[in-house]
Amino acid sequence: TQTVSQSDAHVTVFEGDSVELRCNYSYGGSIYLSWYIQHHGHGLQFLLKYYSGNPVVQGVNGFEAEFSKSDSSFHLRKASVHWSDSAVYFCAVSASSGSWQLIFGSGTQLTVMP
Amino acid sequence: DAGVTQTPRHEVAEKGQTIILKCEPVSGHNDLFWYRQTKIQGLELLSYFRSKSLMEDGGAFKDRFKAEMLNSSFSTLKIQPTEPKDSAVYLCASSFGNTGQLYFGEGSKLTVL
Repeated sequence: TQTVSQSDAHVTVFEGDSVELRCNYSYGGSIYLSWYIQHHGHGLQFLLKYYSGNPVVQGVNGFEAEFSKSDSSFHLRKASVHWSDSAVYFCAVSASSGSWQLIFGSGTQLTVMP
Repeated sequence: DAGVTQTPRHEVAEKGQTIILKCEPVSGHNDLFWYRQTKIQGLELLSYFRSKSLMEDGGAFKDRFKAEMLNSSFSTLKIQPTEPKDSAVYLCASSFGNTGQLYFGEGSKLTVL
């Protein structure tokens, strides 16, 4: 059974703060790990993904994520958030070959206060 | 390049009606997905097509939900008959093969009264 767990439903920070959104997964075999952002009333937008190599991957708008096989984690980080980063963030896992689908976590609502 | 286009953006239906949601994937993409999004259940896979062939058909949705890919650039999701519990946002997404990355449309918000 493949699962993705996002332990924090809501995270609130102030503009300029750093933030880390947590993601843990359970999946057998070779996988992609990815993060998506969803602003209210819109579809999901891709932020970044990891498949192999450097465990720290850079994404758009200053986001980065770090893969840890030992912790089965793929946490998303940003050093200095902006009010426009307020959105729901989804972590996802998928098989890297054959028939595939993204399995999503439940999402983390990030609120950035001015 | 045009992204994924979904129509309509909003649909209100009476219980028992038939509704059809439409999706145009990114040009050249051969994988197409339909997801349902609700606050309670989150994102659930409804259907997955590869090169117009149905690869996955979400087991829980088979009886009243039917997705079709009539050609490589157009897909529909039919819900027949609708029930109030079908109220949700329906998201279409596409990719060029298995890249671990999906391109999503803006979604179709369905309200069933």
